[in-house]
Amino acid sequence: LAKTTQPISMDSYEGQEVNITCSHNNIATNDYITWYQQFPSQGPRFIIQGYKTKVTNEVASLFIPADRKSSTLSLPRVSLSDTAVYYCLVGDRPKAAGNKLTFGGGTRVLVKP
Amino acid sequence: DSGVTQTPKHLITATGQRVTLRCSPRSGDLSVYWYQQSLDQGLQFLIQYYNGEERAKGNILERFSAQQFPDLHSELNLSSLELGDSALYFCASSPGTSNTIYFGEGSWLTVV
Repeated sequence: LAKTTQPISMDSYEGQEVNITCSHNNIATNDYITWYQQFPSQGPRFIIQGYKTKVTNEVASLFIPADRKSSTLSLPRVSLSDTAVYYCLVGDRPKAAGNKLTFGGGTRVLVKP
Repeated sequence: DSGVTQTPKHLITATGQRVTLRCSPRSGDLSVYWYQQSLDQGLQFLIQYYNGEERAKGNILERFSAQQFPDLHSELNLSSLELGDSALYFCASSPGTSNTIYFGEGSWLTVV
């Protein structure tokens, strides 16, 4: 899997938009970008996945520039319940082959009132 | 609810003992992954199985072993337990053709 770099932590306030950027300079042609959210003592939860340009769902948006060497997860109008660790993963979709889906350190987002 | 079931949810055992953690993947998922997360640490990939076969191995200790059965459930066996093995152990599953994986709620292991 491509190595990823994310900020260790970010603080925000309720109602603000939070943008977390992940760097993945050695992303391969077949790699997808996937973001997960983890609350304390819970398993990570899939948020969004993309390959290029922009993807949006009911939870977040994912912006991927043309060179795909970075991606930005955007959380609109965060609330206290969005306080969590956010992980960026970059890798090919496995075809029944082994896949060490390795999580990096993640970004710890703290939403303040 | 991700559809991935892990048992037991909590387990306290003594050093030197052996425990087995069990995982039932989402219906239809062929891939099972095991992760370890110590307090305030990241997720450490341990091992992956696909349709009963080991497919990828991470930093899994020799004291740990896993298997996936014909009904696709998986077990993680931890032996000669040490205090440092205390952690949250997650199982995750995927169809095998996607790197979107779905995590269970984890099994809390405390070694005393």
